[in-house]
Amino acid sequence: GAGVSQSPSNKVTEKGKDVELRCDPISGHTALYWYRQSLGQGLEFLIYFQGNSAPDKSGLPSDRFSAERTGGSVSTLTIQRTQQEDSAVYLCASSLGQFDTDTQYFGPGTRLTVL
Amino acid sequence: DQQVKQNSPSLSVQEGRISILNCDYTNSMFDYFLWYKKYPAEGPTFLISISSIKDKNEDGRFTVFLNKSAKHLSLHIVPSQPGDSAVYFCAASLFSGTYKYIFGTGTRLKVLA
Repeated sequence: GAGVSQSPSNKVTEKGKDVELRCDPISGHTALYWYRQSLGQGLEFLIYFQGNSAPDKSGLPSDRFSAERTGGSVSTLTIQRTQQEDSAVYLCASSLGQFDTDTQYFGPGTRLTVL
Repeated sequence: DQQVKQNSPSLSVQEGRISILNCDYTNSMFDYFLWYKKYPAEGPTFLISISSIKDKNEDGRFTVFLNKSAKHLSLHIVPSQPGDSAVYFCAASLFSGTYKYIFGTGTRLKVLA
């Protein structure tokens, strides 16, 4: 079946512009996660959605970052007034959501470059 | 402060030999550990996990060892195959918030034919 998909695969933007990154999780997965990987760093947890519960936003680095998950499926990560330090690969993952230890399946990521 | 460390950015191993990838962590409260593998232009894929009640977990050619007293985790691949060439990330979490994985920076494994 289809895995996690993300779009766009690459995004180049100018400093100060807003960007939206999209994630389509695996059908039937109720849990959705966003991570980012900056150059030379490990994956950094950003935000977690589980069903209709309030999202865990504890990993968002600043108030310029926000995410939504509409209808319990597709998610959009928005970065406002982008800065050069936002350049990274943004990865989305989903899991069944039955247990916290459920395997997280990752999408291919969106490589964001802020000039 | 890097809570999960992979001190070897790269490793080269001959096909058929053992690959040993290492990972150290600083938070003694971590009690669930995972390894992910990542090919270029793809997302990480889950490989193997271990909870702190065990010191070893095996799945085919892949074995993860956990040394809680040393706060050290290792992944053994035997025998190594060229298709194993990828970046390997270890990750750790607390059961209280297990979905929040703390990842290391990765080790690039190259298996030479």
